Amino acid sequence: GAVVSQHPSRVICKSGTSVKIECRSLDFQATTMFWYRQFPKQSLMLMATSNEGSKATYEQGVEKDKFLINHASLTLSTLTVTSAHPEDSSFYICSAIPYPNRGRNIQYFGAGTRLSVL
Amino acid sequence: DAKTTQPPSMDCAEGRAANLPCNHSTISGNEYVYWYRQIHSQGPQYIIHGLKNNETNEMASLIITEDRKSSTLILPHATLRDTAVYYCIVDDYKLSFGAGTTVTVRA
Repeated sequence: GAVVSQHPSRVICKSGTSVKIECRSLDFQATTMFWYRQFPKQSLMLMATSNEGSKATYEQGVEKDKFLINHASLTLSTLTVTSAHPEDSSFYICSAIPYPNRGRNIQYFGAGTRLSVL
Repeated sequence: DAKTTQPPSMDCAEGRAANLPCNHSTISGNEYVYWYRQIHSQGPQYIIHGLKNNETNEMASLIITEDRKSSTLILPHATLRDTAVYYCIVDDYKLSFGAGTTVTVRA
């Protein structure tokens, strides 16, 4: 149980285009999902917290107009990288906390999306 | 600010126990200790968590000191597939991934 599916696993796009990444909880509901970014040889950095039915909360330094997050249902959150540039090339990973969480904030992660912007 | 301190790397022989230490001297009373690992180019995987008592599941054991200022993750019989970066995280909600410990299991 507690499977999170992330799609696509890899995407290559031209500079200036937008890319949408989907994160789905397959066997549980999630009122809260998280989006992380990981550059080569670095650790994961939290970008934003996605709450179902409300606006996402972005971490300091993350441009909310560039990284659009939508959490329209209890099983789906999407991250859209708008007007992508080469510096946005990274490994993007989502996670979800099951609802109800029974007092445990265990995050289950997707497999990640490797974005390469040419 | 880093809430945990872990050694940057460690090697382990296949079939032997791997003991991964973590210091979290500023942990507060309601904060859990979580352990995750990330195998190369994959999403992190939850391993185990605990508050005060020692915990064990099918993947590992977690030993938390009585003062809760440190803990040890134990992989009882390490395999080559356990080679990964292991993260010790103390947080009530958001996960702050530090550098973790790169564990290399050698045949």
